[in-house]
Amino acid sequence: NAGVTQTPKFQVLKTGQSMTLQCAQDMNHEYMSWYRQDPGMGLRLIHYSVGAGITDQGEVPNGYNVSRSTTEDFPLRLLSAAPSQTSVYFCASSPATTGDYTFGSGTRLTVV
Amino acid sequence: AQSVAQPEDQVNVAEGNPLTVKCTYSVSGNPYLFWYVQYPNRGLQFLLKYITGDNLVKGSYGFEAEFNKSQTSFHLKKPSALVSDSALYFCAVRGPTNAGKSTFGDGTTLTVKP
Repeated sequence: NAGVTQTPKFQVLKTGQSMTLQCAQDMNHEYMSWYRQDPGMGLRLIHYSVGAGITDQGEVPNGYNVSRSTTEDFPLRLLSAAPSQTSVYFCASSPATTGDYTFGSGTRLTVV
Repeated sequence: AQSVAQPEDQVNVAEGNPLTVKCTYSVSGNPYLFWYVQYPNRGLQFLLKYITGDNLVKGSYGFEAEFNKSQTSFHLKKPSALVSDSALYFCAVRGPTNAGKSTFGDGTTLTVKP
């Protein structure tokens, strides 16, 4: 099993550019989530989904969009990149019964 | 609202000594509690969880955690630390109705010295 696959691993954007971070899981997990990790601030939830067609906002949703058309895929879209979005982004999935996450390897995003 | 506090930014222990990484939480209803570990430049790995049952939970790599409802704590422990345990540790919580919305602490850096 590949688990949770995130692409790309690294990305540099200019302010105002848009892009999509890809996330796919092959474990048939119901739940998927996007977090960002900043130094000294732990992980903060951006958006999450409890099933295909269902998404909701987390703690820091502004500037990001998500969709979940299939169980496997949960892409994160940056609409107009800002330097404040420089961070490491993690996608995670979990089974509905237990809630423990399997994380992807992360995307390190720099906005200049 | 749910929250997690990890009161120590850094914990230093000598190899072979017991270690404790502290976590307290706040949540409505019965908590789902988790510990994750992050090695340098890597993603997070699941260590253990408490959902219900025995208050002492055993997980990967010899780690265990004790759920204390009255103190709203879920401290991570290991009887004998290894240098390879050096990493960043995160505690997380979610409430029974907050599916998919775990809240993480700020993390504790554990350093085990030879």
